[in-house]
Amino acid sequence: TQLLEQSPQFLSIQEGENLTVYCNSSSVFSSLQWYRQEPGEGPVLLVTVVTGGEVKKLKRLTFQFGDARKDSSLHITAAQTGDTGLYLCAGGGGTSYGKLTFGQGTILTVHP
Amino acid sequence: SAVISQKPSRDICQRGTSLTIQCQVDSQVTMMFWYRQQPGQSLTLIATANQGSEATYESGFVIDKFPISRPNLTFSTLTVSNMSPEDSSIYLCSVSPAGTDTQYFGPGTRLTVL
Repeated sequence: TQLLEQSPQFLSIQEGENLTVYCNSSSVFSSLQWYRQEPGEGPVLLVTVVTGGEVKKLKRLTFQFGDARKDSSLHITAAQTGDTGLYLCAGGGGTSYGKLTFGQGTILTVHP
Repeated sequence: SAVISQKPSRDICQRGTSLTIQCQVDSQVTMMFWYRQQPGQSLTLIATANQGSEATYESGFVIDKFPISRPNLTFSTLTVSNMSPEDSSIYLCSVSPAGTDTQYFGPGTRLTVL
């Protein structure tokens, strides 16, 4: 069984601070997705990374896929209140075609 | 990306009744999935909805409790049968375009069972 350990589970910060969320596994994934979910909505895809060592930037968000494709990180610079939400990482390309392995999620609260 | 709609968006149901949730996609997709989520927590996969054949259920989920239909490549339904308060949750459908692992999610159905 593939597992993705996501940390931290909760993050409460002030506007303007930086933060990093981590996803780690002992398994290799062919891709890693990051989602953000707000209350009352479904998860929204932020990024997909597929190459070991890949770094993608989306405005103030930086996503990195580990060289061995076993881990990933999401770094947010100068957090804003609009960044508040549940962040989920998900690994693809495991033992079952098409299915994703989800991390436990990180609830981020950014205070004004 | 695909545009996915779900009906209903929320419902309050009585114990012992059943609710059918619909998922509609704006384009044909091979893979469709049904998930359950407690607020603020991660997603638990219920089953993969297969077009033209029986759904593939994950451990802990059975067809009698969660029958799924997939009549074509753009539509699926999930029924939550003989509901109890423990079934209160958010139910989400997702789709995965051919050749990718990426999934796109519907807005979810928030179910409360009294």
